[in-house]
Amino acid sequence: NAGVTQTPKFRVLKTGQSMTLLCAQDMNHEYMYWYRQDPGMGLRLIHYSVGEGTTAKGEVPDGYNVSRLKKQNFLLGLESAAPSQTSVYFCASSYFGLGSPLHFGNGTRLTVT
Amino acid sequence: GENVEQHPSTLSVQEGDSAVIKCTYSDSASNYFPWYKQELGKGPQLIIDIRSNVGEKKDQRIAVTLNKTAKHFSLHITETQPEDSAVYFCAASIGGSQGNLIFGKGTKLSVKP
Repeated sequence: NAGVTQTPKFRVLKTGQSMTLLCAQDMNHEYMYWYRQDPGMGLRLIHYSVGEGTTAKGEVPDGYNVSRLKKQNFLLGLESAAPSQTSVYFCASSYFGLGSPLHFGNGTRLTVT
Repeated sequence: GENVEQHPSTLSVQEGDSAVIKCTYSDSASNYFPWYKQELGKGPQLIIDIRSNVGEKKDQRIAVTLNKTAKHFSLHITETQPEDSAVYFCAASIGGSQGNLIFGKGTKLSVKP
Protein backbone atom coordinates (compact mmCIF):
# COMPACT_ATOMS: atom_id res chain seq x y z
CA ASN A 1 0.00 0.00 0.00
CA ALA A 2 1.92 3.04 -1.29
CA GLY A 3 -0.47 5.76 -0.01
CA VAL A 4 0.18 9.07 -1.78
CA THR A 5 3.00 9.14 -4.33
CA GLN A 6 4.38 12.32 -5.86
CA THR A 7 6.61 12.56 -8.92
CA PRO A 8 9.13 13.98 -9.45
CA LYS A 9 10.85 14.48 -6.08
CA PHE A 10 13.06 17.33 -7.30
CA ARG A 11 12.96 19.62 -10.30
CA VAL A 12 14.77 22.74 -11.49
CA LEU A 13 13.08 24.98 -14.05
CA LYS A 14 14.05 28.13 -15.81
CA THR A 15 11.69 31.10 -15.73
CA GLY A 16 8.97 30.66 -18.35
CA GLN A 17 9.24 26.88 -18.62
CA SER A 18 6.28 24.64 -17.95
CA MET A 19 5.92 21.40 -16.05
CA THR A 20 3.39 19.04 -14.52
CA LEU A 21 3.56 17.48 -11.07
CA LEU A 22 1.83 14.14 -10.68
CA CYS A 23 0.08 12.86 -7.58
CA ALA A 24 -1.29 9.34 -7.30
CA GLN A 25 -3.18 7.75 -4.40
CA ASP A 26 -4.19 4.13 -3.98
CA MET A 27 -6.61 4.55 -1.05
CA ASN A 28 -9.75 5.23 -3.12
CA HIS A 29 -10.02 8.70 -1.58
CA GLU A 30 -12.56 11.14 -2.99
CA TYR A 31 -10.78 14.38 -2.06
CA MET A 32 -7.35 15.45 -3.27
CA TYR A 33 -5.36 18.62 -2.60
CA TRP A 34 -2.25 20.49 -3.68
CA TYR A 35 -0.41 22.59 -1.09
CA ARG A 36 2.75 24.62 -1.23
CA GLN A 37 5.09 25.00 1.73
CA ASP A 38 7.41 27.96 2.05
CA PRO A 39 9.77 28.75 4.95
CA GLY A 40 7.88 30.46 7.74
CA MET A 41 4.57 30.30 5.82
CA GLY A 42 3.16 26.93 6.75
CA LEU A 43 1.04 25.06 4.21
CA ARG A 44 -1.14 26.98 1.78
CA LEU A 45 -3.84 25.37 -0.37
CA ILE A 46 -3.42 25.87 -4.11
CA HIS A 47 -6.26 23.81 -5.63
CA TYR A 48 -8.36 20.89 -4.56
CA SER A 49 -10.80 18.33 -5.93
CA VAL A 50 -13.84 16.77 -4.26
CA GLY A 51 -14.12 13.96 -6.78
CA GLU A 52 -13.19 12.71 -10.22
CA GLY A 53 -13.68 15.43 -12.85
CA THR A 54 -13.95 18.28 -10.31
CA THR A 55 -11.49 21.00 -9.34
CA ALA A 56 -11.70 24.14 -7.22
CA LYS A 57 -9.44 27.04 -6.24
CA GLY A 58 -7.80 27.25 -2.89
CA GLU A 59 -6.00 30.07 -1.13
CA VAL A 60 -3.19 30.68 -3.67
CA PRO A 61 -4.34 29.40 -7.12
CA ASP A 62 -2.77 32.00 -9.42
CA GLY A 63 -0.21 30.62 -11.86
CA TYR A 64 -1.33 27.00 -11.43
CA ASN A 65 -3.82 24.71 -13.12
CA VAL A 66 -5.04 21.26 -12.10
CA SER A 67 -6.85 18.29 -13.54
CA ARG A 68 -8.50 15.21 -12.03
CA LEU A 69 -9.37 12.99 -14.97
CA LYS A 70 -9.06 9.82 -12.90
CA LYS A 71 -10.05 9.39 -9.27
CA GLN A 72 -6.60 8.23 -8.24
CA ASN A 73 -4.62 11.02 -9.94
CA PHE A 74 -4.38 14.77 -9.40
CA LEU A 75 -2.10 16.79 -11.66
CA LEU A 76 -0.68 20.24 -10.91
CA GLY A 77 0.55 22.28 -13.86
CA LEU A 78 2.71 25.37 -14.09
CA GLU A 79 2.29 26.94 -17.52
CA SER A 80 5.00 29.60 -17.22
CA ALA A 81 7.13 29.12 -14.14
CA ALA A 82 8.23 32.15 -12.08
CA PRO A 83 10.86 32.39 -9.31
CA SER A 84 8.01 33.06 -6.84
CA GLN A 85 6.86 29.48 -7.47
CA THR A 86 10.05 28.08 -5.96
CA SER A 87 8.66 25.98 -3.14
CA VAL A 88 8.01 22.49 -1.82
CA TYR A 89 4.75 21.12 -3.17
CA PHE A 90 2.70 18.57 -1.26
CA CYS A 91 -0.18 16.54 -2.52
CA ALA A 92 -2.71 15.14 -0.05
CA SER A 93 -5.84 13.04 -0.19
CA SER A 94 -8.71 12.32 2.18
CA TYR A 95 -11.62 9.90 2.20
CA PHE A 96 -14.13 12.72 2.48
CA GLY A 97 -14.05 16.42 3.47
CA LEU A 98 -14.52 17.89 6.92
CA GLY A 99 -13.01 15.77 9.66
CA SER A 100 -11.31 13.28 7.40
CA PRO A 101 -7.54 13.04 7.96
CA LEU A 102 -5.29 14.29 5.19
CA HIS A 103 -2.72 11.79 3.89
CA PHE A 104 0.27 13.62 2.45
CA GLY A 105 2.89 12.59 -0.06
CA ASN A 106 6.57 13.29 0.62
CA GLY A 107 6.69 16.42 -1.50
CA THR A 108 8.29 17.79 -4.66
CA ARG A 109 11.02 20.39 -4.25
CA LEU A 110 10.81 22.83 -7.17
CA THR A 111 13.36 25.52 -7.89
CA VAL A 112 12.72 28.15 -10.56
CA THR A 113 15.78 30.13 -11.63
CA GLY B 1 -9.71 36.45 5.84
CA GLU B 2 -9.37 33.41 8.05
CA ASN B 3 -6.15 33.14 10.00
CA VAL B 4 -4.44 30.72 12.37
CA GLU B 5 -1.61 31.96 14.54
CA GLN B 6 0.78 29.47 16.10
CA HIS B 7 3.29 30.01 18.93
CA PRO B 8 6.11 29.51 19.55
CA SER B 9 7.88 29.14 16.21
CA THR B 10 10.69 27.18 17.88
CA LEU B 11 10.71 25.20 21.11
CA SER B 12 13.59 23.38 22.75
CA VAL B 13 13.03 21.04 25.72
CA GLN B 14 14.96 18.43 27.64
CA GLU B 15 14.01 14.81 27.19
CA GLY B 16 11.28 13.93 29.66
CA ASP B 17 9.94 17.47 29.94
CA SER B 18 6.57 18.60 28.61
CA ALA B 19 6.04 20.72 25.49
CA VAL B 20 3.08 22.99 24.81
CA ILE B 21 2.21 24.61 21.46
CA LYS B 22 -0.62 27.12 21.20
CA CYS B 23 -2.81 28.25 18.31
CA THR B 24 -5.51 30.86 17.92
CA TYR B 25 -7.99 31.05 15.06
CA SER B 26 -10.19 33.79 13.67
CA ASP B 27 -13.13 32.00 11.98
CA SER B 28 -15.93 31.49 14.51
CA ALA B 29 -17.41 28.84 12.18
CA SER B 30 -14.31 26.60 12.49
CA ASN B 31 -15.30 23.28 14.05
CA TYR B 32 -12.44 20.88 13.34
CA PHE B 33 -8.88 21.29 14.65
CA PRO B 34 -6.18 18.77 13.64
CA TRP B 35 -2.49 18.69 14.50
CA TYR B 36 0.12 17.42 12.08
CA LYS B 37 3.72 16.36 12.65
CA GLN B 38 6.28 16.76 9.90
CA GLU B 39 9.61 14.98 10.04
CA LEU B 40 12.52 16.12 7.93
CA GLY B 41 12.06 15.27 4.24
CA LYS B 42 8.56 13.89 4.69
CA GLY B 43 5.00 15.06 4.37
CA PRO B 44 2.95 16.04 7.43
CA GLN B 45 1.17 13.27 9.32
CA LEU B 46 -1.94 13.62 11.49
CA ILE B 47 -1.20 12.96 15.16
CA ILE B 48 -4.41 14.07 16.86
CA ASP B 49 -7.54 16.09 16.14
CA ILE B 50 -10.44 17.58 18.05
CA ARG B 51 -13.92 18.73 17.14
CA SER B 52 -15.72 21.76 18.48
CA ASN B 53 -18.09 19.76 20.68
CA VAL B 54 -15.18 18.38 22.73
CA GLY B 55 -12.98 20.32 25.14
CA GLU B 56 -10.08 17.89 25.47
CA LYS B 57 -8.77 14.75 23.83
CA LYS B 58 -5.87 12.49 24.84
CA ASP B 59 -3.89 9.83 23.04
CA GLN B 60 -1.10 8.37 25.19
CA ARG B 61 1.49 11.18 25.65
CA ILE B 62 -0.35 13.65 23.43
CA ALA B 63 -3.34 15.79 24.34
CA VAL B 64 -5.19 18.65 22.72
CA THR B 65 -7.40 21.21 24.46
CA LEU B 66 -9.91 23.55 22.85
CA ASN B 67 -11.42 26.78 24.16
CA LYS B 68 -14.06 27.84 21.63
CA THR B 69 -14.97 31.00 23.53
CA ALA B 70 -11.41 32.27 23.37
CA LYS B 71 -10.81 30.69 19.92
CA HIS B 72 -7.65 28.91 20.92
CA PHE B 73 -6.43 25.34 21.09
CA SER B 74 -3.22 23.78 22.35
CA LEU B 75 -1.11 20.66 21.85
CA HIS B 76 0.47 19.10 24.94
CA ILE B 77 3.21 16.49 24.70
CA THR B 78 4.29 14.89 27.97
CA GLU B 79 7.45 12.89 28.69
CA THR B 80 9.05 14.10 25.49
CA GLN B 81 11.46 11.81 23.63
CA PRO B 82 14.08 12.61 20.96
CA GLU B 83 11.81 11.08 18.30
CA ASP B 84 9.27 13.82 19.09
CA SER B 85 11.66 16.29 17.43
CA ALA B 86 9.87 17.58 14.32
CA VAL B 87 7.82 20.50 13.00
CA TYR B 88 4.26 20.60 14.30
CA PHE B 89 1.40 22.33 12.51
CA CYS B 90 -1.99 23.22 13.88
CA ALA B 91 -4.94 23.77 11.54
CA ALA B 92 -8.55 24.89 11.65
CA SER B 93 -11.39 24.13 9.28
CA ILE B 94 -12.71 27.00 7.19
CA GLY B 95 -16.39 27.57 7.84
CA GLY B 96 -18.60 27.09 4.80
CA SER B 97 -16.00 25.09 2.89
CA GLN B 98 -16.00 21.35 2.29
CA GLY B 99 -13.67 21.05 5.22
CA ASN B 100 -10.67 22.88 3.81
CA LEU B 101 -8.07 23.66 6.41
CA ILE B 102 -6.01 26.74 7.15
CA PHE B 103 -2.67 25.91 8.73
CA GLY B 104 -0.53 27.69 11.27
CA LYS B 105 3.05 28.47 10.34
CA GLY B 106 4.54 25.63 12.34
CA THR B 107 6.59 25.03 15.47
CA LYS B 108 9.99 23.39 15.30
CA LEU B 109 10.32 21.22 18.40
CA SER B 110 13.76 20.00 19.46
CA VAL B 111 14.03 17.45 22.25
CA LYS B 112 17.53 17.27 23.70
CA PRO B 113 18.65 13.91 25.12
